[in-house]
Amino acid sequence: GQNIDQPTEMTATEGAIVQINCTYQTSGFNGLFWYQQHAGEAPTFLSYNVLDGLEEKGRFSSFLSRSKGYSYLLLKELQMKDSASYLCAVMDSNYQLIWGAGTKLIIKP
Amino acid sequence: IAGITQAPTSQILAAGRRMTLRCTQDMRHNAMYWYRQDLGLGLRLIHYSNTAGTTGKGEVPDGYSVSRANTDDFPLTLASAVPSQTSVYFCASSDRTNTGELFFGEGSRLTVL
Repeated sequence: GQNIDQPTEMTATEGAIVQINCTYQTSGFNGLFWYQQHAGEAPTFLSYNVLDGLEEKGRFSSFLSRSKGYSYLLLKELQMKDSASYLCAVMDSNYQLIWGAGTKLIIKP
Repeated sequence: IAGITQAPTSQILAAGRRMTLRCTQDMRHNAMYWYRQDLGLGLRLIHYSNTAGTTGKGEVPDGYSVSRANTDDFPLTLASAVPSQTSVYFCASSDRTNTGELFFGEGSRLTVL
């Protein structure tokens, strides 16, 4: 079956750096996506990786290794507003999005 | 403000009742989707539509139906609600098919008693 694994919850300190990992096993691969979802709100698109390597977008970076079925989202200079759930999703060979259950990130002052 | 509007925001419903969740977008996106989000699970696709006039089944379509009479509207109907349909429902759209970059509505929280 198809599977996306990410930690359920992580805690980090304001101003620090945190890495949220995502491993996947899917039928084919057509890209990996990260979304941010604040409690009670809609998911919003953060990043897209289809080739191996690091994509940087301001304080957020996303890394992909297709051979390892692995990605991470790196958040730098953490702010309290970064407290949210981070969802990893993979597009399979049928262009269906497979979603992880999300990682709840708690930022402490 | 451009985006996706869902209604109602929240609803409590008796089992066996019929319910329609409304979704309207003003971005002229071709593709639209309905997902449900349950605690501890990833988003699960219920139904989708790649363009007006066409619909398709997602991962968990049973008990739900959709229609796509025009580009903007994509209602989701529960013909006879059951408690297992208690969930948060998100409507989403994308400007093209075969993309994972989706725009989501704010969600509709449905409780079936």
